[in-house]
Amino acid sequence: QVQLQQSGPGLVRPSQTLSLTCAVSGDTISITKSACIWIRQSPSRGLEWLGRTYYRSKWYSDYASSMIGRISITADTSKNSFSLHLTSVTDEDTAVYYCARSGVAILDPFDPWGQGSLVTVSS
Amino acid sequence: QSVLTQPPSVSGAPGQRVTISCTGRSSNIGSNYDVHWYQQLPGTAPKLLIFGNFNRPSGVPDRFSASKSGTSASLVIAGLQAEDEADYYCQSYDSGLSASVFGGGTKVTVL
Repeated sequence: QVQLQQSGPGLVRPSQTLSLTCAVSGDTISITKSACIWIRQSPSRGLEWLGRTYYRSKWYSDYASSMIGRISITADTSKNSFSLHLTSVTDEDTAVYYCARSGVAILDPFDPWGQGSLVTVSS
Repeated sequence: QSVLTQPPSVSGAPGQRVTISCTGRSSNIGSNYDVHWYQQLPGTAPKLLIFGNFNRPSGVPDRFSASKSGTSASLVIAGLQAEDEADYYCQSYDSGLSASVFGGGTKVTVL
Protein backbone atom coordinates (compact mmCIF):
# COMPACT_ATOMS: atom_id res chain seq x y z
CA GLN A 1 0.00 0.00 0.00
CA VAL A 2 1.49 3.29 -1.12
CA GLN A 3 1.48 6.07 1.47
CA LEU A 4 2.54 9.69 1.16
CA GLN A 5 3.75 11.82 4.08
CA GLN A 6 4.14 15.54 3.57
CA SER A 7 6.42 17.89 5.48
CA GLY A 8 7.41 21.52 5.33
CA PRO A 9 6.82 24.92 6.90
CA GLY A 10 3.29 26.21 7.38
CA LEU A 11 4.26 29.87 7.11
CA VAL A 12 6.20 31.51 4.31
CA ARG A 13 7.03 35.22 3.98
CA PRO A 14 5.97 37.08 0.83
CA SER A 15 8.58 36.97 -1.97
CA GLN A 16 10.25 33.94 -0.36
CA THR A 17 10.30 30.33 -1.59
CA LEU A 18 7.73 27.75 -0.55
CA SER A 19 9.24 24.28 -0.21
CA LEU A 20 7.39 21.07 0.65
CA THR A 21 8.51 17.45 0.62
CA CYS A 22 6.51 14.28 0.07
CA ALA A 23 7.99 11.04 1.37
CA VAL A 24 6.75 7.92 -0.35
CA SER A 25 6.49 4.50 1.26
CA GLY A 26 5.32 1.24 -0.24
CA ASP A 27 6.62 2.12 -3.69
CA THR A 28 9.71 3.40 -5.47
CA ILE A 29 9.37 6.88 -6.95
CA SER A 30 11.66 6.09 -9.87
CA ILE A 31 9.39 3.29 -11.08
CA THR A 32 8.71 4.06 -14.71
CA LYS A 33 4.95 3.52 -14.52
CA SER A 34 4.26 6.27 -11.97
CA ALA A 35 4.39 10.02 -11.62
CA CYS A 36 4.71 12.36 -8.64
CA ILE A 37 2.16 15.16 -8.51
CA TRP A 38 1.56 18.40 -6.61
CA ILE A 39 -1.91 19.90 -6.30
CA ARG A 40 -3.18 22.79 -4.19
CA GLN A 41 -6.59 23.79 -2.89
CA SER A 42 -7.84 27.20 -1.87
CA PRO A 43 -11.30 28.75 -1.48
CA SER A 44 -10.66 31.16 -4.38
CA ARG A 45 -9.06 28.73 -6.86
CA GLY A 46 -10.48 25.35 -5.81
CA LEU A 47 -8.33 22.35 -6.67
CA GLU A 48 -5.44 23.32 -8.94
CA TRP A 49 -2.96 20.92 -10.56
CA LEU A 50 0.52 22.42 -10.23
CA GLY A 51 2.72 19.90 -11.97
CA ARG A 52 4.42 16.53 -11.91
CA THR A 53 7.71 14.74 -12.27
CA TYR A 54 8.29 11.24 -13.58
CA TYR A 55 11.19 8.95 -14.49
CA ARG A 56 11.90 7.63 -18.00
CA SER A 57 15.61 6.86 -18.00
CA LYS A 58 15.90 10.39 -16.63
CA TRP A 59 13.60 12.72 -14.74
CA TYR A 60 11.06 14.82 -16.62
CA SER A 61 8.70 17.50 -15.33
CA ASP A 62 5.48 19.10 -16.56
CA TYR A 63 4.10 22.26 -14.99
CA ALA A 64 0.86 24.24 -15.13
CA SER A 65 1.40 27.15 -17.49
CA SER A 66 0.41 29.60 -14.75
CA MET A 67 3.28 28.32 -12.60
CA ILE A 68 6.08 28.21 -15.18
CA GLY A 69 8.98 30.35 -14.11
CA ARG A 70 8.22 29.98 -10.40
CA ILE A 71 7.82 26.25 -9.89
CA SER A 72 10.18 23.32 -9.64
CA ILE A 73 9.31 19.73 -8.74
CA THR A 74 12.29 17.55 -7.99
CA ALA A 75 12.87 13.97 -6.92
CA ASP A 76 15.32 12.57 -4.37
CA THR A 77 15.67 8.86 -5.06
CA SER A 78 17.99 8.37 -2.07
CA LYS A 79 15.12 9.43 0.22
CA ASN A 80 12.34 8.13 -2.01
CA SER A 81 10.73 11.54 -1.88
CA PHE A 82 9.85 14.44 -4.11
CA SER A 83 9.62 18.13 -3.45
CA LEU A 84 7.80 21.26 -4.54
CA HIS A 85 9.58 24.60 -4.72
CA LEU A 86 7.57 27.72 -5.51
CA THR A 87 9.44 31.00 -5.64
CA SER A 88 8.34 34.62 -5.18
CA VAL A 89 5.20 33.68 -3.28
CA THR A 90 2.35 36.09 -2.62
CA ASP A 91 -0.76 35.80 -0.50
CA GLU A 92 -2.47 34.20 -3.53
CA ASP A 93 -0.25 31.16 -2.93
CA THR A 94 -1.86 30.57 0.45
CA ALA A 95 -3.49 27.15 0.14
CA VAL A 96 -3.53 23.57 1.26
CA TYR A 97 -0.91 21.75 -0.79
CA TYR A 98 -1.23 18.05 -1.58
CA CYS A 99 1.19 15.59 -3.08
CA ALA A 100 -0.19 12.60 -4.96
CA ARG A 101 0.83 9.75 -7.18
CA SER A 102 -0.56 8.72 -10.53
CA GLY A 103 0.21 6.50 -13.46
CA VAL A 104 2.56 7.95 -16.01
CA ALA A 105 -0.15 8.84 -18.52
CA ILE A 106 -1.36 12.41 -18.18
CA LEU A 107 -4.92 11.04 -18.13
CA ASP A 108 -4.31 8.78 -15.13
CA PRO A 109 -6.12 9.51 -11.83
CA PHE A 110 -4.42 10.76 -8.68
CA ASP A 111 -4.17 8.06 -6.06
CA PRO A 112 -3.14 8.11 -3.31
CA TRP A 113 -2.87 11.64 -1.88
CA GLY A 114 -0.79 12.97 0.96
CA GLN A 115 -2.45 14.34 4.07
CA GLY A 116 -2.20 17.96 2.93
CA SER A 117 -0.11 20.89 4.17
CA LEU A 118 -1.65 24.26 4.93
CA VAL A 119 0.79 26.93 3.80
CA THR A 120 0.07 30.54 4.69
CA VAL A 121 1.92 33.35 2.98
CA SER A 122 2.13 36.26 5.36
CA SER A 123 4.63 38.71 6.76
CA GLN B 1 -13.69 29.82 -11.95
CA SER B 2 -13.04 26.12 -12.47
CA VAL B 3 -12.64 24.66 -15.94
CA LEU B 4 -15.19 21.93 -15.21
CA THR B 5 -18.57 23.07 -13.91
CA GLN B 6 -20.36 21.36 -11.05
CA PRO B 7 -23.39 22.41 -9.03
CA PRO B 8 -22.26 23.90 -5.70
CA SER B 9 -24.53 21.66 -3.68
CA VAL B 10 -27.02 18.83 -3.79
CA SER B 11 -28.95 17.24 -0.98
CA GLY B 12 -31.15 14.27 -0.30
CA ALA B 13 -32.69 12.21 2.42
CA PRO B 14 -31.12 8.92 3.49
CA GLY B 15 -31.85 6.26 0.93
CA GLN B 16 -32.50 8.71 -1.87
CA ARG B 17 -30.59 8.99 -5.12
CA VAL B 18 -28.60 12.10 -5.98
CA THR B 19 -26.81 13.02 -9.18
CA ILE B 20 -23.86 15.37 -9.56
CA SER B 21 -23.13 16.76 -12.99
CA CYS B 22 -19.74 17.80 -14.37
CA THR B 23 -19.83 19.90 -17.51
CA GLY B 24 -16.77 20.51 -19.64
CA ARG B 25 -16.06 21.43 -23.23
CA SER B 26 -14.48 20.15 -26.42
CA SER B 27 -10.93 20.61 -25.13
CA ASN B 28 -11.42 18.32 -22.13
CA ILE B 29 -14.30 15.89 -21.57
CA GLY B 30 -15.48 16.37 -25.16
CA SER B 31 -12.09 15.17 -26.44
CA ASN B 32 -12.84 11.81 -24.89
CA TYR B 33 -10.42 12.29 -22.02
CA ASP B 34 -11.20 10.19 -18.98
CA VAL B 35 -13.15 11.70 -16.10
CA HIS B 36 -12.27 10.79 -12.52
CA TRP B 37 -14.20 11.56 -9.34
CA TYR B 38 -12.91 12.25 -5.85
CA GLN B 39 -14.61 12.35 -2.47
CA GLN B 40 -13.31 14.77 0.15
CA LEU B 41 -14.57 14.21 3.66
CA PRO B 42 -14.37 17.20 6.01
CA GLY B 43 -10.80 17.97 7.02
CA THR B 44 -9.22 15.26 4.86
CA ALA B 45 -7.52 14.95 1.52
CA PRO B 46 -9.51 14.03 -1.58
CA LYS B 47 -9.79 10.31 -2.20
CA LEU B 48 -10.25 8.59 -5.54
CA LEU B 49 -13.87 7.46 -5.88
CA ILE B 50 -14.28 6.68 -9.60
CA PHE B 51 -11.59 6.37 -12.28
CA GLY B 52 -11.76 6.04 -16.03
CA ASN B 53 -15.30 7.45 -16.28
CA PHE B 54 -17.10 4.62 -14.47
CA ASN B 55 -14.67 2.30 -12.64
CA ARG B 56 -14.73 1.93 -8.85
CA PRO B 57 -11.48 1.27 -6.95
CA SER B 58 -11.54 -1.65 -4.59
CA GLY B 59 -13.48 -0.80 -1.44
CA VAL B 60 -15.78 1.83 -2.95
CA PRO B 61 -19.41 0.84 -2.40
CA ASP B 62 -21.44 0.03 -5.49
CA ARG B 63 -23.99 2.71 -4.61
CA PHE B 64 -21.51 5.06 -6.30
CA SER B 65 -21.66 4.99 -10.09
CA ALA B 66 -20.66 7.34 -12.87
CA SER B 67 -21.01 7.88 -16.58
CA LYS B 68 -19.84 10.20 -19.34
CA SER B 69 -21.48 11.48 -22.49
CA GLY B 70 -20.33 14.16 -24.88
CA THR B 71 -18.90 17.08 -22.91
CA SER B 72 -20.42 16.04 -19.57
CA ALA B 73 -20.10 13.42 -16.88
CA SER B 74 -22.27 12.43 -13.94
CA LEU B 75 -21.79 10.84 -10.55
CA VAL B 76 -24.74 9.06 -8.97
CA ILE B 77 -25.08 8.13 -5.33
CA ALA B 78 -27.91 5.63 -5.03
CA GLY B 79 -29.17 4.95 -1.52
CA LEU B 80 -27.63 8.00 0.13
CA GLN B 81 -26.08 7.40 3.53
CA ALA B 82 -25.00 9.78 6.29
CA GLU B 83 -21.34 8.97 5.69
CA ASP B 84 -21.65 10.17 2.09
CA GLU B 85 -21.85 13.77 3.30
CA ALA B 86 -18.75 15.26 1.68
CA ASP B 87 -17.46 17.34 -1.20
CA TYR B 88 -17.19 15.64 -4.58
CA TYR B 89 -14.89 16.72 -7.41
CA CYS B 90 -14.62 15.70 -11.04
CA GLN B 91 -11.27 15.81 -12.83
CA SER B 92 -10.11 15.43 -16.42
CA TYR B 93 -7.42 16.67 -18.77
CA ASP B 94 -7.60 19.80 -20.90
CA SER B 95 -5.61 19.84 -24.14
CA GLY B 96 -5.84 23.60 -24.49
CA LEU B 97 -4.31 24.15 -21.07
CA SER B 98 -2.05 21.06 -21.25
CA ALA B 99 -3.03 20.40 -17.66
CA SER B 100 -5.24 18.29 -15.48
CA VAL B 101 -8.32 20.24 -14.49
CA PHE B 102 -10.90 19.95 -11.73
CA GLY B 103 -14.49 20.89 -11.17
CA GLY B 104 -15.35 23.41 -8.48
CA GLY B 105 -16.75 20.71 -6.25
CA THR B 106 -20.24 19.76 -5.07
CA LYS B 107 -21.19 19.58 -1.44
CA VAL B 108 -23.53 16.69 -0.73
CA THR B 109 -25.76 17.14 2.29
CA VAL B 110 -27.72 14.29 3.79
CA LEU B 111 -30.95 15.71 5.17
